[in-house]
Amino acid sequence: QLVLTQSPSASASLGASVKLTCTLSSGHINYAIAWHQQQPEKGPRFLIKLNSDGSHNKGDGIPDRFSGASSGTERYLSISSLQSEDEADYFCQTYGPDIWVFGGGTKLTVL
Amino acid sequence: EVQLLESGGDLVQPGGSLRLSCAASGFSFNNFGMSWVRRAPGKGLEWVSSISGSGADTYYADSVKGRFTISRDNSKNTVDLQMNSLRAEDTAVYYCAKHPGTPRNNLWSGIWYSDYWGQGTLVSVSS
Repeated sequence: QLVLTQSPSASASLGASVKLTCTLSSGHINYAIAWHQQQPEKGPRFLIKLNSDGSHNKGDGIPDRFSGASSGTERYLSISSLQSEDEADYFCQTYGPDIWVFGGGTKLTVL
Repeated sequence: EVQLLESGGDLVQPGGSLRLSCAASGFSFNNFGMSWVRRAPGKGLEWVSSISGSGADTYYADSVKGRFTISRDNSKNTVDLQMNSLRAEDTAVYYCAKHPGTPRNNLWSGIWYSDYWGQGTLVSVSS
């Protein structure tokens, strides 16, 4: 079964860096994922599509502070120089034949 | 500029029906797949349904299969979600989302993810 697992919460200080993790279920090591950000009271925003080899493409206007990486079944979203507006929920998304799957989301708090 | 504007959300009783609509602009609508995704209070994002650019191919999550119907009108640049037999667990904000292409021969390779989202419309199912 295709499942994406995310830690429920993360926190980091203003100006610091943070790495969020999305873990694919075993047997799905070659799957690409997409990262989305949802700020409070707003619709989601596409950040980055991340392939298993670490190659990626970003959404329109996404700053260089956001980057992605892959290792095995783990897919990472790194955010550097954290700003207050980065406080949001972050979701990963993937696709299996005729079904789309989201991770449970990570709530990022900027201290 | 891509814009997606959802409408139609409301308070409805269990067992009732509702039709959501998403008006799209800023891109060649019929060339792109579209999806509906929802977020229930206190929960994460949940995929609901997707449709190809032509409207010929549709897909549903098991939780809504047989109750919800997705459709699109490429002459009006709209994608709708007809929701019947609504349940309390359907209560959520519903988002319209665009894909970066349309599937060929039912293949969503490279275009399966959502690259633009709307602001959402709230559906509350309660007596």
